[in-house]
Amino acid sequence: GEDVEQSLFLSVREGDSSVINCTYTDSSSTYLYWYKQEPGAGLQLLTYIFSNMDMKQDQRLTVLLNKKDKHLSLRIADTQTGDSAIYFCAETYSGGSNYKLTFGKGTLLTVNP
Amino acid sequence: EAGVVQSPRYKIIEKKQPVAFWCNPISGHNTLYWYLQNLGQGPELLIRYENEEAVDDSQLPKDRFSAERLKGVDSTLKIQPAELGDSAVYLCASSLDLRGETYNEQFFGPGTRLTVL
Repeated sequence: GEDVEQSLFLSVREGDSSVINCTYTDSSSTYLYWYKQEPGAGLQLLTYIFSNMDMKQDQRLTVLLNKKDKHLSLRIADTQTGDSAIYFCAETYSGGSNYKLTFGKGTLLTVNP
Repeated sequence: EAGVVQSPRYKIIEKKQPVAFWCNPISGHNTLYWYLQNLGQGPELLIRYENEEAVDDSQLPKDRFSAERLKGVDSTLKIQPAELGDSAVYLCASSLDLRGETYNEQFFGPGTRLTVL
């Protein structure tokens, strides 16, 4: 079955870059996602990458996908205090249906002023 | 445009009591999802509706959980009776699924935080 693993905590200083890592097990993953969840709020899709891509950049966000190692990362440049939140890695895989999101446990990002 | 609306935002009940959660998806979205998020975990899918049809309820504990989406718009998730272990956040999401499209973004509501005492 599918499984998504993330480190649970990351602490950075304001202005530094943050890198949140994720590994997944299903080699037939089609899309991989990064969601952000602020306290008391639902999940907000930050970005996603199709499995045949290596990299995607969107303003301060850079997603890198190493399909061989089944490793996904999210880099946030110039991290701000407003970036403090839980970040979830998720995948959908072609063995099931493209709607079924499998989430990791989330990485709590703390940005210190 | 309004996002996914859920109510109540918070609910505290005693065990063995029934509870219901309501979700109104984004207007025009044909697909609706209910997720369970336990503390310190990512969301897990409970049920997915395409219009009024439940097309995937394999993860829904049917002995105590039920859901409906009678007119293919808003939806209700019910637990009867609630147990202590049901304390969690219940998230609703919706998407516009088009035939032939492989990517359909799911938009999440703020969730209902349930505490069972």
